[in-house]
Amino acid sequence: DVKVTQSSRYLVKRTGEKVFLECVQDMDHENMFWYRQDPGLGLRLIYFSYDVKMKEKGDIPEGYSVSREKKERFSLILESASTNQTSMYLCASSLSLGQRNQPQHFGDGTRLSIL
Amino acid sequence: AQKVTQAQTEISVVEKEDVTLDCVYETRDTTYYLFWYKQPPSGELVFLIRRNSFDEQNEISGRYSWNFQKSTSSFNFTITASQVVDSAVYFCALMLGGAQKLVFGQGTRLTINP
Repeated sequence: DVKVTQSSRYLVKRTGEKVFLECVQDMDHENMFWYRQDPGLGLRLIYFSYDVKMKEKGDIPEGYSVSREKKERFSLILESASTNQTSMYLCASSLSLGQRNQPQHFGDGTRLSIL
Repeated sequence: AQKVTQAQTEISVVEKEDVTLDCVYETRDTTYYLFWYKQPPSGELVFLIRRNSFDEQNEISGRYSWNFQKSTSSFNFTITASQVVDSAVYFCALMLGGAQKLVFGQGTRLTINP
């Protein structure tokens, strides 16, 4: 079974802090994704990566950056946290572009509160 | 632009009732994939099914069934004889051919009461 592990289930930070959310997958997947989930809005894609050191903006990248130095790890960075970034963050991974219809596998999520 | 609409925000039924979750999608592409995910209270999204745009066969898996109709751009999900363990938020999602990005609907919160 695919295992996607997010470093924290709950996180509380202060406005202006730099925040790191970590995600690790154990199935050698090329693609990794970061979403945020808000009530009534579903999941919205922040950034994704299809290879090491490669990244692409999703639908709502403002205020975020990402890092993928190793294939199994994809980090989401809030450069200067703000209260409107309080949300549930979900990481996912999937097989390569050559198998386009492969499902994404998700972690348990990190509920982030910015005070 | 691609869009997925789940018009039912919340549904509440009594155990053993049948329930259908609606999903309507929009895309101009001819090659695409549709997915359903379940999110139990624990938070993890669990993959349930995928369907490609060239396969309109309905699918049944135990108490779950899916009805894909390209004519109405719908991909509805039915749970037969619902159980309390089916309580979750269910998401419908669209992926275009040649891409890996998923576009999600808003989700439907399903509550099964004993």
